[in-house]
Amino acid sequence: SQTIHQWPATLVQPVGSPLSLECTVEGTSNPNLYWYRQAAGRGLQLLFYSVGIGQISSEVPQNLSASRPQDRQFILSSKKLLLSDSGFYLCAWSQLAGGEQFFGPGTRLTVL
Amino acid sequence: SQQGEEDPQALSIQEGENATMNCSYKTSINNLQWYRQNSGRGLVHLILIRSNEREKHSGRLRVTLDTSKKSSSLLITASRAADTASYFCATDVVGSGNTGKLIFGQGTTLQVKP
Repeated sequence: SQTIHQWPATLVQPVGSPLSLECTVEGTSNPNLYWYRQAAGRGLQLLFYSVGIGQISSEVPQNLSASRPQDRQFILSSKKLLLSDSGFYLCAWSQLAGGEQFFGPGTRLTVL
Repeated sequence: SQQGEEDPQALSIQEGENATMNCSYKTSINNLQWYRQNSGRGLVHLILIRSNEREKHSGRLRVTLDTSKKSSSLLITASRAADTASYFCATDVVGSGNTGKLIFGQGTTLQVKP
């Protein structure tokens, strides 16, 4: 069966520090991968998606970047965090375009 | 503005009652999906309804889709305290190609009181 992992689960970082969040998927190959951010009490904002290794599309201009170094690995990064980067970050995968997405447990990021 | 907008934003009912949540969207879709999120957790897929379908059932869930009104509703029958969560609609918009991108609404927070 397929599983999706995200780590860390929680993270507190000072403004200006770097960021690396990792997401890995098991039990499937060539998935579409997604990074979302969720502000408190709000819906999901799509940040990046990837349809293959090395293929990254950005949905909104921001202080973050994403990479997909392996088929089932998706990394969200920042060189210098801003206060506005705080939020709940969710990684998801799907096998079929437009089909259901499977979400990881999320990372709660607090930038102080 | 958001493709999907849900109402109400918050809903509080007693156990055993039915809960209805609505979702409206703006552009043509291939399908519409409903997800559930427990506090502080990831989202869980509940049901997918295609643009050529009008109604779909899964257990205590009933979803309707009216493409002429660009709206959908999620009905949870005989609610339980464990149904307490946030519920989101998400649309697969026509023209998204092989990206699989979904556009999520802001969600409805449901509280079921025991």
